Amino acid sequence: QVQLVESGGGVVQPGGSLRLSCEASGFTFSSYGMHWVRQAPGKGLEWVTAIWFDGSRTHYADSVKDRFTISRDNSKNTVYLQMNSLRAEDTAMYYCARGLQYLADWGQGTLVTVAS
Amino acid sequence: SYELTQPLSVSVALGQTAIITCGGNTIGIKSVHWYQQRPGQAPVLIIYRDSNRPSGIPERISGSNSDNTATLTISGVQAGDEADYYCQVWDSSAVILGGGTKLTVL
Repeated sequence: QVQLVESGGGVVQPGGSLRLSCEASGFTFSSYGMHWVRQAPGKGLEWVTAIWFDGSRTHYADSVKDRFTISRDNSKNTVYLQMNSLRAEDTAMYYCARGLQYLADWGQGTLVTVAS
Repeated sequence: SYELTQPLSVSVALGQTAIITCGGNTIGIKSVHWYQQRPGQAPVLIIYRDSNRPSGIPERISGSNSDNTATLTISGVQAGDEADYYCQVWDSSAVILGGGTKLTVL
């Protein structure tokens, strides 16, 4: 069965950096696009970024463009989210998800808190 | 950028039918997908490409899409259907999500 396990969340000060990881299993990772979607406490879902199956293309929400970078290592079945210049409004649960035009499977999320 | 509009909340009596709408400009020409998020849990895909159910999703959950409105219908609502529901499209190389609808079962 498909499993997506996120890690790397934690508490970071404003302006700081964090790298999230999402390890995948149960499917041919190199054949699927991957996304990060976040959810601030008590709020709705917000799409963050996507990467194509081979890493050739990436897409970002305007709110994170030039601060966040998505990447993947198909040899490790892992997708990453490098987050720089973090702000209080980046505080959220971050989910990775499998798919491209829709999100077929989701991980359980990793919590990022940006606070001084 | 493309926008999706959902009602903030929908209430329905146990056993009745819940209808959740998702409005967007000519959304009928796009593929619409729906997610269910129960409290404290990750989202789950329940409808993809307007009306298709992933394996394990019951037949009482259905979707349709036409003109400017996509619709998620849940028949014979159960207590376990109480959740937030999100519609989604893919537009201009981005995932567009609706604001979410909280379904309350009375």
